[in-house]
Amino acid sequence: QSALTQPRSVSGSPGQSVTISCTGTSSDVGGYNYVSWYQQNPGKAPKLMIYDISKRPSGVPDRFSGSKSGNTASLTISGLQAEDEADYYCNSYAGSFTWVFGGGTKLTVL
Amino acid sequence: QVQLVESGGGVVQPGRSLRLSCAASGFIFSSSGMHWVRQAPGKGLEWVAFISYDGNNKYYADSVKGRFTISRDNSKNTLYLQMNSLRAEDTAVYYCAKESDSSGYGGIDPWGQGTLVTVSS
Repeated sequence: QSALTQPRSVSGSPGQSVTISCTGTSSDVGGYNYVSWYQQNPGKAPKLMIYDISKRPSGVPDRFSGSKSGNTASLTISGLQAEDEADYYCNSYAGSFTWVFGGGTKLTVL
Repeated sequence: QVQLVESGGGVVQPGRSLRLSCAASGFIFSSSGMHWVRQAPGKGLEWVAFISYDGNNKYYADSVKGRFTISRDNSKNTLYLQMNSLRAEDTAVYYCAKESDSSGYGGIDPWGQGTLVTVSS
């Protein structure tokens, strides 16, 4: 149950696109199509942004998209807005009803 | 709308016990699997435990296995986390969260507001 690997921080200017990577192993990210992404603002609970690798819950802007290749999943935010500045966490099912999170990435909108 | 409200957090000495509760409303509690997830101060999220909709199946992170017990009372729409033999490294905000309706394995949604547990002498 080792944490998934995410970059500590990423940044971008308004209107640009940024991509956050999430690297695991064949026992988690690579082994299942159950990667999700969460946005967390300071002092708040996490919010589901992407589930099942690339699906968006109702109400999440289509500027948020997800993908996976091998043992690495990615979250892309296009048309960056100031309100997107937050911490982002990936999560993967790891089998036998266990889950693992990434270490988190701080997104700064310049 | 779905509401999850945690309670029971506080300051506890190392080696002691604490029980967290999570009151659920706005959905059919007895039909949903439930998670506990924690976040140490200034750190990332850590999955802690999962319980099936009927309470018959329970799963834990290695870091808490043998010390924590997840349970539920579907008649009271309440989720619990019994935490024994607490350690300083268990200090965290503990979130109660529901398995996503859209994907049981692939999403955790929504989350409660969290309750802070501080383990300190």
